[in-house]
Amino acid sequence: GAVVSQHPSWVICKSGTSVKIECRSLDFQATTMFWYRQFPKQSLMLMATSNEGSKATYEQGVEKDKFLINHASLTLSTLTVTSAHPEDSSFYICSAEPPTRAKNIQYFGAGTRLSVL
Amino acid sequence: GQQLNQSPQSMFIQEGEDVSMNCTSSSIFNTWLWYKQDPGEGPVLLIALYKAGELTSNGRLTAQFGITRKDSFLNISASIPSDVGIYFCAGPPRGRDDKIIFGKGTRLHILP
Repeated sequence: GAVVSQHPSWVICKSGTSVKIECRSLDFQATTMFWYRQFPKQSLMLMATSNEGSKATYEQGVEKDKFLINHASLTLSTLTVTSAHPEDSSFYICSAEPPTRAKNIQYFGAGTRLSVL
Repeated sequence: GQQLNQSPQSMFIQEGEDVSMNCTSSSIFNTWLWYKQDPGEGPVLLIALYKAGELTSNGRLTAQFGITRKDSFLNISASIPSDVGIYFCAGPPRGRDDKIIFGKGTRLHILP
């Protein structure tokens, strides 16, 4: 149980285009999902907390107009990188907290590698 | 802000050796989590600790929640090639139990 699916696993796009990444909880409902960014050989940095039915909560320094988050259902959150530029190239990972497990237990998707040309 | 300091940053060991790594903070944590990340993948939860002094095992892995609540240890016994990866400690920072922060990771390499 507690499977989180992320799609696509890899995307290459031209500078100036927008890219949407999907995060799905496959066997549980998640009122809260999280989006992280990871640079090569670095740790995971929380970008934002995605709340079902309400606005996302962004961490300090993360541009909410740049990284649009939508959590329209209890099993799906999306991250859209708008007007992507090469500096947005990174590994993006989502996670979700199953409500039946203890607090703070997050299960992660396999990540999306974004390369902006 | 609160930080988790992991040590060592990387380890090179022979297959079959035991491994020890730790995670420390200047602040108290009420939960300690240990994750493993393989290249190009998301982290996978290994062990969760909730009580000071708690010692929990998951197969060849054993983790402990430090008595001071400011540290945690992860041990791997009789390492095998699939243990290669990055091990992260994580936990909710004080006053923010709605999120977790991660250490910088310990990279485990196994020599042929």
